[in-house]
Amino acid sequence: GQQLNQSPQSMFIQEGEDVSMNCTSSSIFNTWLWYKQEPGEGPVLLIALYKAGELTSNGRLTAQFGITRKDSFLNISASIPSDVGIYFCAGRRLPDSGGGADGLTFGKGTHLIIQP
Amino acid sequence: NAGVTQTPKFQVLKTGQSMTLQCAQDMNHEYMSWYRQDPGMGLRLIHYSVGAGITDQGEVPNGYNVSRSTTEDFPLRLLSAAPSQTSVYFCASGQSAKNIQYFGAGTRLSVL
Repeated sequence: GQQLNQSPQSMFIQEGEDVSMNCTSSSIFNTWLWYKQEPGEGPVLLIALYKAGELTSNGRLTAQFGITRKDSFLNISASIPSDVGIYFCAGRRLPDSGGGADGLTFGKGTHLIIQP
Repeated sequence: NAGVTQTPKFQVLKTGQSMTLQCAQDMNHEYMSWYRQDPGMGLRLIHYSVGAGITDQGEVPNGYNVSRSTTEDFPLRLLSAAPSQTSVYFCASGQSAKNIQYFGAGTRLSVL
């Protein structure tokens, strides 16, 4: 099936630092979604991107839909302890791209650990 | 403000047993789906449904059955549990496949 390469796999940072993570693929996507998952919970949507080049913010979070449609990044500014969790990117393929049914492919996640 | 509700939260099965994971949503969403999440992996789609009476296979459907008799409910059945099905299962719903998917809190299943 389709694959998303999400990096880094984990990040150990100090509180107050900025965070950057990204997802890349060899396939073109028409939607990029960024989710956060906390222990014992399901993923919660942070940001949705629908157009190539789109830059969207949600508080201290900013995400961009890459111009090539094959990548996306998520930035978190001035990290705080509650930012700890696993961040997943998910891409939705073009309708005729085949593969999984609804075209939503997930990256393997970035574990964010913040040291006070 | 229930959203997507999954039951049970935890389950332990013996190899060969069968069980049903329940998923219900109160948002009148047409699209529902089941994912499994394994360590070091992203979420992988098991089955999905675009509306009542319609279901289809996702990326990893083997060993699982689904049905969609109502808009609200989308149960996932394990016919004969195997250790390889030890995982965390998430149900999600959205207005359509193109719309944002909302996830339940998950069911943690161990098959011994």
